[in-house]
Amino acid sequence: GAVVSQHPSWVICKSGTSVKIECRSLDFQATTMFWYRQFPKQSLMLMATSNEGSKATYEQGVEKDKFLINHASLTLSTLTVTSAHPEDSSFYICSAPTDRVGVTGELFFGEGSRLTVL
Amino acid sequence: AQKITQTQPGMFVQEKEAVTLDCTYDTSDQSYGLFWYKQPSSGEMIFLIYQGSYDEQNATEGRYSLNFQKARKSANLVISASQLGDSAMYFCPNKFYFGSGTKLNVKP
Repeated sequence: GAVVSQHPSWVICKSGTSVKIECRSLDFQATTMFWYRQFPKQSLMLMATSNEGSKATYEQGVEKDKFLINHASLTLSTLTVTSAHPEDSSFYICSAPTDRVGVTGELFFGEGSRLTVL
Repeated sequence: AQKITQTQPGMFVQEKEAVTLDCTYDTSDQSYGLFWYKQPSSGEMIFLIYQGSYDEQNATEGRYSLNFQKARKSANLVISASQLGDSAMYFCPNKFYFGSGTKLNVKP
């Protein structure tokens, strides 16, 4: 299957700093990537859809200025948590489809990034 | 957003027994895919099984099978011969939206 790599797996930062998480499709081109946030023992909450060459589409209630998404190339999307605060601590995970998502295309997930803001 | 309903927050099953995890969709799409994923405590998302809404036969992948009832828009996952390693969260997303999931615990 296709491979999606996410980095870093773990990150601890001080309150007020910004953290960048990278999501790469290693063996396929991803025009679309999805970013999720997951609280402990809860489901994956879609934050935004990252589109190569255009602006990301954010889900309702997600702060665009807090969670900056850039889809710089067909293999790389980044999520930057700006001015992080303890309430931003969470598990963030990205995914990308190789085909028509939800119809014939399964989602390939990165390993996830666990963010802890002190 | 498409709605997904997983009515079982938690399930217990005895090792080596079969278990069915429920999932229903609320979609107006004529053609769609049914997917199941597993998320162990390590956090990785593992793809388990796929079936297209127009597929006539229910999909099977090893110990996993998908019981699709189109009229009811349900796509239940059946795990046969449960193993301790099956203990995990299970999700059936609709496109890229995830429902609440089901936490499966396999008892020795």
